[in-house]
Amino acid sequence: DIQLTQSPSSLSASVGDRVTITCRAGQSISTYLNWYQQKPGRAPNLLIFGASRLQSGVPSRFSGSGSGTDFTLTISSLQPEDFATYYCQQTYTTPFTFGPGTTVDLK
Amino acid sequence: QLHLQESGPGLVKPSETLSITCTVSGDSINRSNYYWGWIRQPPGKGLEWIVSMYYSGSTYDNPSLKSRVTISVDTSKNRFSLKLGSLTAADTAVYYCARHKSWRGGDYFDSWGQGTPVIVSS
Repeated sequence: DIQLTQSPSSLSASVGDRVTITCRAGQSISTYLNWYQQKPGRAPNLLIFGASRLQSGVPSRFSGSGSGTDFTLTISSLQPEDFATYYCQQTYTTPFTFGPGTTVDLK
Repeated sequence: QLHLQESGPGLVKPSETLSITCTVSGDSINRSNYYWGWIRQPPGKGLEWIVSMYYSGSTYDNPSLKSRVTISVDTSKNRFSLKLGSLTAADTAVYYCARHKSWRGGDYFDSWGQGTPVIVSS
């Protein structure tokens, strides 16, 4: 299985901050990397697919980059509704695996 | 608008089989290039992909669960179902169904149900 690690595991930030979350794969996965946002008690919501493609309806303050083994999710200006847990996922090969998550909370 | 809704038993006993159904509205389950999948999340933990199925019957499987998993699609009722056998407490989780898009640039889960909690306990 392809292991994904995320850093940091949690971070505290303020509204308006620029936030960057990193996802690293145990082997090269090209750009087969997705990002999801999950709020407590809710299902995950797709933000980014194919490493950098913004899902329809997702605000443009979210962006993704990377290829191979190193990927980043950036929130350009954190909004109150962005406090949540973020997961990366690889779909390069089965079993599709998720990272352990990064929780963004209010400083 | 696409909507997925899980229905499950809530509580099941160890060694028994879990059965969950996901009813899809706002899209056809036999739409090209879309699989239909199951993902679970144990309490306070991360996400684990279980299985995905195309309406024709082809599947993507998670080897760690494959021996205990059965997935089926009912195109006449626009729904799909998961059966997970030989349950243990480790199978306690929220189970999500999701639409799984497959394209040349990779696969992703673009729409999810609200999730159904399952507790395995005697």
